[in-house]
Amino acid sequence: SQQGEEDPQALSIQEGENATMNCSYKTSINNLQWYRQNSGRGLVHLILIRSNEREKHSGRLRVTLDTSKKSSSLLITASRAADTASYFCATCPSGGPDKLIFGTGTRLQVFP
Amino acid sequence: EAGVVQSPRYKIIEKKQPVAFWCNPISGHNTLYWYRQNLGQGPELLIRYENEEAVDDSQLPKDRFSAERLKGVDSTLKIQPAELGDSAVYLCASTPLTSTENTEAFFGQGTRLTVV
Repeated sequence: SQQGEEDPQALSIQEGENATMNCSYKTSINNLQWYRQNSGRGLVHLILIRSNEREKHSGRLRVTLDTSKKSSSLLITASRAADTASYFCATCPSGGPDKLIFGTGTRLQVFP
Repeated sequence: EAGVVQSPRYKIIEKKQPVAFWCNPISGHNTLYWYRQNLGQGPELLIRYENEEAVDDSQLPKDRFSAERLKGVDSTLKIQPAELGDSAVYLCASTPLTSTENTEAFFGQGTRLTVV
């Protein structure tokens, strides 16, 4: 079963705008990761944030984590058409089996 | 460095037929995962290997699914017989450590299975 949900399910923006995706999960975690999936391809890791971290940056990506609310957000700044993809959050549960539990994903469309 | 390699990329079979997927993880990665991704959903874990041992197969439908990882390197996932509901993308991933606690997972391109 999936760990949680992502919101929104789909997002359409213009190039240059910022895109924000939210992820909620159910159990306590060791870390939370964000992955990107282009149509018909495998998943590519974007960023990992540990449970004791609140914010992390990588290039145009900014991830926040609120363990009290069991939620995370991914912000993509100055989006490009090449950012068009599905984005998934995945949690590594604490005290449980070593696996990634994925959310339902957000489909992002960036128009030129 | 080569990434995780999966084959075939696409497979179309008739229901009740057998099918097999192959995965070659990144060299030196001890942990290997098989995930299934239904259309419009996130991946769900089927089985996790540490070296040649299946340490988590609780989500694997054992009546029709089987997997093996001989010599702790390549792995195969088999479905016999396939059902219409098995149509999905089957993803293989590997990690260099025995835990995803502090490391990312590296995914292959997946095998898209269509059962007709």
